Amino acid sequence: GQQLNQSPQSMFIQEGEDVSMNCTSSSIFNTWLWYKQEPGEGPVLLIALYKAGELTSNGRLTAQFGITRKDSFLNISASIPSDVGIYFCAGRNYGGSQGNLIFGKGTKLSVKP
Amino acid sequence: KAGVTQTPRYLIKTRGQQVTLSCSPISGHRSVSWYQQTPGQGLQFLFEYFSETQRNKGNFPGRFSGRQFSNSRSEMNVSTLELGDSALYLCASSPRGTGSLYEQYFGPGTRLTVT
Repeated sequence: GQQLNQSPQSMFIQEGEDVSMNCTSSSIFNTWLWYKQEPGEGPVLLIALYKAGELTSNGRLTAQFGITRKDSFLNISASIPSDVGIYFCAGRNYGGSQGNLIFGKGTKLSVKP
Repeated sequence: KAGVTQTPRYLIKTRGQQVTLSCSPISGHRSVSWYQQTPGQGLQFLFEYFSETQRNKGNFPGRFSGRQFSNSRSEMNVSTLELGDSALYLCASSPRGTGSLYEQYFGPGTRLTVT
């Protein structure tokens, strides 16, 4: 099925560093969602974006909805060990039904204390 | 408010068997979507149910089916299991509507292993 291009695939960083990851698509989306998944659990919604150009923060996390509607990025500032996990972007096709979320393959984040 | 619950959490089945997985959405949420997660393919949309009707379907064979009950609980069924069906099956619920009502909240998943 269709998937978003999410990069990087993995990151190994030192505690305290900032992190940036992004997703791009050939299709226009009207919603971008960012999730975090930890081992043995389902994805947890971090940030939702609904308008092109929108910049939204959730604590140390900041995400933006690209102006072209085809991309989004997620930044994590001052990383801590509990940030470890896999981060997924997800988009909903413009005009598509709610259930049709398209997911990136994830960015695996490792944080060294 | 209780989150999305899925049962069972783990399941081991043999090729050729069939399996039924269950999902209880967050109270008040009427939409339930199902996803398959594998290391190779990532998260793939299976189908969505709203008001007991399938509203959208992903690109999976007919062996994968689902249904939703009047209390919004949903089940998915996989018949004639194949080794490639081994995956984490995730259920997500939402109120369904515009804007934030489209946000989907996931359960912990059912880990299915087919031997």
